[in-house]
Amino acid sequence: DGGITQSPKYLFRKEGQNVTLSCEQNLNHDAMYWYRQDPGQGLRLIYYSQIVNDFQKGDIAEGYSVSREKKESFPLTVTSAQKNPTAFYLCASSIQAVSYEQYFGPGTRLTVT
Amino acid sequence: SQQGEEDPQALSIQEGENATMNCSYKTSINNLQWYRQNSGRGLVHLILIRSNEREKHSGRLRVTLDTSKKSSSLLITASRAADTASYFCAPVTGGGNKLTFGTGTQLKVEL
Repeated sequence: DGGITQSPKYLFRKEGQNVTLSCEQNLNHDAMYWYRQDPGQGLRLIYYSQIVNDFQKGDIAEGYSVSREKKESFPLTVTSAQKNPTAFYLCASSIQAVSYEQYFGPGTRLTVT
Repeated sequence: SQQGEEDPQALSIQEGENATMNCSYKTSINNLQWYRQNSGRGLVHLILIRSNEREKHSGRLRVTLDTSKKSSSLLITASRAADTASYFCAPVTGGGNKLTFGTGTQLKVEL
């Protein structure tokens, strides 16, 4: 069963805590992405990785960190420095970074109180 | 990368009718992609149309691209309640390595 998995589906945290969102893919894709979506809004790119051990900041990277130690995995850490962390987080992957269609995971809804 | 702007913001139609939504962008593109998002879910890729293509079909979907007007349209024929979703376009500039999404068109298909 191929695809992208994100876990957990719902996550609740107290303000001031770091939290790590999981993203795994078995599509053998080189590129992976993290987006944030707020209610009624489009997606905003947080970080992306074109290849293992390499990643670049997207449009709203402040308060977030990522790692890409394995091709299959691209975890996102929401740090306490992120001022408004409550949002819907989507992970995606594509064969390569340039111009290809992206495949999305089901998302993680993070609520920080 | 550049952001596409979808129009209208929201569209409500009856089942069986056709739905048309539009996307405008600002600079030359390599390709343009359309995605669908059901409420609370991830996005699903629908169609990719390259800059040298004018029209592309996939089942009940028809996408057109007019590079002279920097615009694209997505037509869903014989709509169904299951087509209720938000639809996003993502124009990709040459060599672009990331997609930028607008706020989308929210389509509601009523029985």
